[in-house]
Amino acid sequence: AQTVTQSQPEMSVQEAETVTLSCTYDTSESDYYLFWYKQPPSRQMILVIRQEAYKQQNATENRFSVNFQKAAKSFSLKISDSQLGDAAMYFCAYRSASRGAQKLVFGQGTRLTINP
Amino acid sequence: DTAVSQTPKYLVTQMGNDKSIKCEQNLGHDTMYWYKQDSKKFLKIMFSYNNKELIINETVPNRFSPKSPDKAHLNLHINSLELGDSAVYFCASSQLTREQYFGPGTRLTVT
Repeated sequence: AQTVTQSQPEMSVQEAETVTLSCTYDTSESDYYLFWYKQPPSRQMILVIRQEAYKQQNATENRFSVNFQKAAKSFSLKISDSQLGDAAMYFCAYRSASRGAQKLVFGQGTRLTINP
Repeated sequence: DTAVSQTPKYLVTQMGNDKSIKCEQNLGHDTMYWYKQDSKKFLKIMFSYNNKELIINETVPNRFSPKSPDKAHLNLHINSLELGDSAVYFCASSQLTREQYFGPGTRLTVT
């Protein structure tokens, strides 16, 4: 079974600085997807970024980018120019590419605090 | 124009009662899911339906029964509620292998 581990329960960063959230996963599959979701205090789960395992290029969405290291099974999220609105729980998630196996397997989450 | 909606957003009930949570998506997706987020914020899949067919049924007590009347709706009925059922329940939807979009969540409190 696949597992996802986020080893940082909490992180904090100064506004406008850069922060990196760590995620590692365990799988025997070669084709899969990885995601970062954000959960602000409103409770809504918001998709931040997605990475396909077959793509070597790291995904980027505005201030958010990932460092995907397939051999090391590592998938970290970098937030540049941190803003107060980035404060939230961040969840790393894995999903198999096999049809019918579409569940997301989540990490434990990292609570990110932005200091003004 | 809410993409994935859930009702109710909050539900407070007593042990032993039966309750339902409804979910609707207007994204035209063919797959819907129920996830449970416990008090430590851990999220875990409960069920998944594809075109009204149950395709994922994790280790969930029989007191939980999902029902999908059509592709746009997935409801969750819970019988004989227990204290340990208190959690936030999220509905989500996706199209085939694309990313999943979540509803706002339903906070269930069992007293």
